[in-house]
Amino acid sequence: DAGVTQSPTHLIKTRGQQVTLRCSPISGHKSVSWYQQVLGQGPQFIFQYYEKEERGRGNFPDRFSARQFPNYSSELNVNALLLGDSALYLCASSLAWGDRVYNEQFFGPGTRLTVL
Amino acid sequence: AQKITQTQPGMFVQEKEAVTLDCTYDTSDPSYGLFWYKQPSSGEMIFLIYQGSYDQQNATEGRYSLNFQKARKSANLVISASQLGDSAMYFCAMNGDTGRRALTFGSGTRLQVQP
Repeated sequence: DAGVTQSPTHLIKTRGQQVTLRCSPISGHKSVSWYQQVLGQGPQFIFQYYEKEERGRGNFPDRFSARQFPNYSSELNVNALLLGDSALYLCASSLAWGDRVYNEQFFGPGTRLTVL
Repeated sequence: AQKITQTQPGMFVQEKEAVTLDCTYDTSDPSYGLFWYKQPSSGEMIFLIYQGSYDQQNATEGRYSLNFQKARKSANLVISASQLGDSAMYFCAMNGDTGRRALTFGSGTRLQVQP
């Protein structure tokens, strides 16, 4: 079975532009999360969606938005790009939600965004 | 709020030896999960092992084991019989039972296995 897929693999944008990153979860997984990983740091949580509804949001400005589609794929949008948005953007999918603390997240290969 | 602290930016280990990567955490959630991920230079996060806060026994997965000391709020990863392919970044992470299920990550430890 295919794992989590993300597109594009690499992206170069200039300051002020807008970008859309895409993620397809593992078949059967209904939850998708987005993380930003700046070079030399651990990933930081941005958004979590389950059944097309936003279930959590990290400490990111409103320039960041996301959505989940009926087929459970997801898009992350970033407007008015800043140099500091340069990072590896990771998407993770998981099967469960609800009352389970154990919620293993399977990560995709990431999209490396460079803002010039 | 949850916090993960990894105090070892880098570690060296000889091939075939064991190594311990440190992780301490802080949370107010009554139940929580602790995870370790491996990130090779390719960038993908690879799940290694999970420990639930109410699990009585330390988790083990092949050469990986998690030394869980709840009173000390530590969740150290032990890799036995290190292999050259173990060279990578290792991240400790956690989630909780209040609010979101998203993971909070530490800053990572870079492990280098020497022949």
